[in-house]
Amino acid sequence: KQEVTQIPAALSVPEGENLVLNCSFTDSAIYNLQWFRQDPGKGLTSLLLIQSSQREQTSGRLNASLDKSSGRSTLYIAASQPGDSATYLCAVSPKTSYDKVIFGPGTSLSVIP
Amino acid sequence: NAGVTQTPKFRVLKTGQSMTLLCAQDMNHEYMYWYRQDPGMGLRLIHYSVGEGTTAKGEVPDGYNVSRLKKQNFLLGLESAAPSQTSVYFCASRLAGGHPYNEQFFGPGTRLTVL
Repeated sequence: KQEVTQIPAALSVPEGENLVLNCSFTDSAIYNLQWFRQDPGKGLTSLLLIQSSQREQTSGRLNASLDKSSGRSTLYIAASQPGDSATYLCAVSPKTSYDKVIFGPGTSLSVIP
Repeated sequence: NAGVTQTPKFRVLKTGQSMTLLCAQDMNHEYMYWYRQDPGMGLRLIHYSVGEGTTAKGEVPDGYNVSRLKKQNFLLGLESAAPSQTSVYFCASRLAGGHPYNEQFFGPGTRLTVL
């Protein structure tokens, strides 16, 4: 059964710092991995999708990497800003049950001005 | 494109009342999902649909029913609301399953309180 974990559960950093959020999954047979952002009281916004054949994706100050063999993905945020404060969730689309998406619990990020 | 929309945004029910949450998407997606999100519990899948006229149970289906009569709409019903169903409900959709290009899109959520 595919399980997704995220470490740390919460992170607080000063503005301007570069940071890394981690996502781990137990079964490497996936179609893709997606990173989402959720602001308090809001829905989930898709940030990046990495296909299983890709190693990384970039969007602005965000860079997501995927290492299927080790079951890991990282989301790198460069030069963090207070507006980056949110919860970040990763999710995988498993090949064994492709009709579902398996979510991690999220990392709550606070960027202190 | 409006993407994924949900109505209503907020609702307060009394125990035993019924209601229907509507999800609509204009992206011609085959797959649609209903999740609930509770503090400390993460996102939990209630029901989902892989195409018009189909529905399937997720991990927490009890107390809910769904229908997908039209491809663009996915309805979530509560026949007899209970306080345990107080939650934030999210609808999501994606093109299909089984290939790498599927990006899942979420609606803004419905905040439901059952008294």
